[in-house]
Amino acid sequence: DIQMTQSPSSLSTSVGDRVTITCRASLGISNRLAWFQQRPGKAPKSLIYAASTLDSGVPSRFSGSGSGTDFTLTISSLQPEDFATYYCQQYYTYPFTFGPGTEVDIK
Amino acid sequence: EVQLVDSGGGLVQPGGSLRLSCAASGFTFTDHIMDWVRQAPGKGLEWVARVRSRTSSFATEYAASVKGRFTISMDDSKNSLYLQMSSLKTEDTAMYYCTRSPLGRGPHDLWGQGTLVTVSS
Repeated sequence: DIQMTQSPSSLSTSVGDRVTITCRASLGISNRLAWFQQRPGKAPKSLIYAASTLDSGVPSRFSGSGSGTDFTLTISSLQPEDFATYYCQQYYTYPFTFGPGTEVDIK
Repeated sequence: EVQLVDSGGGLVQPGGSLRLSCAASGFTFTDHIMDWVRQAPGKGLEWVARVRSRTSSFATEYAASVKGRFTISMDDSKNSLYLQMSSLKTEDTAMYYCTRSPLGRGPHDLWGQGTLVTVSS
């Protein structure tokens, strides 16, 4: 199975800050990488697929990049509704695997 | 409205069975792949199973942790997705989410609200 890691596991930050989350795959996955946001008590929400394509309705402050094994999710200016946990997922091969998550909370 | 509504969760004893359902509205299964994803209490996300549409002969894939015990299926006449779970273990305790994955795009663009399965004696 392809193992996904994320860093940091958590970060404390402020509204308006720029946030970068890193995701790494144990094998090359081309651009088959998706990002999800999960607010407490809610179902996850799709943010990005194909490493850098924003899903419908996702604000432009979110962006994704990378290919192969190393990927990043960037939030250019954090808003109050962005405090949540973020997961990456590879869909290059079965079983699809998620990263352990990065919790973004208020400093 | 485009949505997925999960149901069927509950408390079940180890070794027991349960069937989860997911009712889809606002779209048809023809152009989509459907998945189940679960999340144990306080833990991360785990992909469980996938089923393709009738045009792909309802082909399925499973995570190793559930293969042979869980069966994913869809009834496109009812626009419904199912997960038949048997030989349940305590480690199957989780919130189970039905998700939609459009053809030619990334996975899980739409999620149900989840249904909680608790396996305990």
